[in-house]
Amino acid sequence: AQSVTQPDIHITVSEGASLELRCNYSYGATPYLFWYVQSPGQGLQLLLKYFSGDTLVQGIKGFEAEFKRSQSSFNLRKPSVHWSDAAEYFCAVGSNNNDMRFGAGTRLTVKP
Amino acid sequence: KAGVTQTPRYLIKTRGQQVTLSCSPISGHRSVSWYQQTPGQGLQFLFEYFSETQRNKGNFPGRFSGRQFSNSRSEMNVSTLELGDSALYLCASSSILAGGVNEQFFGPGTRLTVL
Repeated sequence: AQSVTQPDIHITVSEGASLELRCNYSYGATPYLFWYVQSPGQGLQLLLKYFSGDTLVQGIKGFEAEFKRSQSSFNLRKPSVHWSDAAEYFCAVGSNNNDMRFGAGTRLTVKP
Repeated sequence: KAGVTQTPRYLIKTRGQQVTLSCSPISGHRSVSWYQQTPGQGLQFLFEYFSETQRNKGNFPGRFSGRQFSNSRSEMNVSTLELGDSALYLCASSSILAGGVNEQFFGPGTRLTVL
């Protein structure tokens, strides 16, 4: 069965600094990978997804992620963080049996 | 298109009661999934419905049940509530992508507090 690990529970960055959130997956076939963001008390919003093709995918709000098969990773990046990016971020892996697994999440704090 | 809607947004119940939560998916989406989110356990999959049939089920006791109607709206029910059922319950509506993978769109959730 597929699984996702987000090694960092909490990350703090300064506003304007770059950001990288780590995600490692375990899946036997070609994975379908997603990043979601959740603001406090809200549902999850899809930031970006990867199914195939170009391993660097662009998402909303200036985020991008790079799929690296050799490292089983799908890290999320943003060149310059804004205070409004403070939220919880979830990496997820899906499969063609409609079973989606989420990581434990990484909480992002942005310092002024 | 309107997004996924969930009602009610907040609920307070006492132990032993039962509760029903409702989810209206995005128009045209036929798959609805339910998740429980707690600080300790994170996001846990409850079940998924497609065309009124439960297709997948997570590892939850039988007190948790659901159904889907012909218009794709879904309800989940929790009977004999326990304190540990306090959580944010999220509904996700899915469009089926190439390869059969769901792309899930989430509602705002229902915050259930059990006293």
